[in-house]
Parts: sequence; C-alpha cells; structure tokens
Amino acid sequence: GQNIDQPTEMTATEGAIVQINCTYQTSGFNGLFWYQQHAGEAPTFLSYNVLDGLEEKGRFSSFLSRSKGYSYLLLKELQMKDSASYLCAVRDPLKAAGNKLTFGGGTRVLVKP
Amino acid sequence: DVKVTQSSRYLVKRTGEKVFLECVQDMDHENMFWYRQDPGLGLRLIYFSYDVKMKEKGDIPEGYSVSREKKERFSLILESASTNQTSMYLCASSTSDGTYEQYFGPGTRLTVT
Repeated sequence: GQNIDQPTEMTATEGAIVQINCTYQTSGFNGLFWYQQHAGEAPTFLSYNVLDGLEEKGRFSSFLSRSKGYSYLLLKELQMKDSASYLCAVRDPLKAAGNKLTFGGGTRVLVKP
Repeated sequence: DVKVTQSSRYLVKRTGEKVFLECVQDMDHENMFWYRQDPGLGLRLIYFSYDVKMKEKGDIPEGYSVSREKKERFSLILESASTNQTSMYLCASSTSDGTYEQYFGPGTRLTVT
C-alpha cells in the first residue's frame, strides 16, 4: 500500500521562503512528483525526483531522500501568485502500472502581503 | 503544447442516471487516468489505462467503469449515479518514458441530486 503525508496548510509572507514536507511509506518507489494546483484549476507539474538530492528550478527546489522516505518542496522569494495547493505524489514502480501515481492530500499555501 | 480536454466543466445529474464523462488528449500518450478530488481527501485514482482497450482499477473503482476504444479518448462511466459521487473529476494523460509527468484536464464538477 501507499501512505503519503504532507501538512494540510501553511501560511507565509510575501518574499519569504516556505518548505513543504512530504513523507511516504510505499510498497515500492520509482520517483516523486510535486504539482501545483490553483483553486478551481487543474494541477500542473513542478518537479520530478528519482535520485537523492536537490533539484533546483528557478524559485522552486525539490529535495529527495529515499532512505528516509522524505521529500520537500522549497519555494523562495514568495509571490502572491504562489498561493495554491501543492501536491506530493509517488510513482508506482511496477512496469505494468502505466505510470500510476498516488497523491498525498495536498498542502494549501497562503501567501500574505 | 499538450492539451487534455474534458467534455464538460459543470454537470448536474439525478440519482440513478447513467453519466458519461469524456476525456481527449492530443499528444499521442499511452497512459490515461481518471481521478476524483474531494476536500480533505486529495486526488484519488479511479481507473487508468496504459493502452487502447486496456484498463486497470485504481484505488476507488467501485461504482465506476471506463472505456478506451481509441488512444486519444478515455471515458468514465457512472452506471447509476449516487449523491456520494458528487465530486470534481480530473482526467490526465502521460507518456511511458521521460519524466512521466501527467498532464491534467480542467476538470468536471459533477453534482448528483
């Protein structure tokens, strides 16, 4: 089975940094995704980690530790438009699974002026 | 630009009706997925398909069926709609190589009365 945990909600100030943690206990592992979802919109892809370490993409970075079953998404220089839900998802390792993902409940981030 | 479209943004149906939700993608992706999204429960996988006429149950398939007669189209069917199927339904597609990211459609807000 798959169990993915992330905080429900976080609040931060414009210009600051926020770190969203995600822990997972899964029967296998073949990569971890982060998606952003604005209210009323579809999720959009942010990052994909399959090896340990930090992946940086502009203001957003994602970290993975497979031995600890842990990832975080780091949002720097927060902007008001970053107010959204952030979804952590783990990819099923079975080849026949057709790229099946299991999602956590999502973390709602509110950026205040 | 990958595009995933869903037949309706909003749908209202009565209990017991048969409901069809259609999803079309234009990027020749092998994999297609149907999720439902409910507050506090996150995205949950209903069914997915990794090839034409192939389907696999996700985590919550009860009360749903699917059809994939053509590669670009994946339909979700509610045989006899019930009020607990009121939800946001999201379709997604992905390739079987590369980063495996899933591209989501805009969603269908289904209300069953």
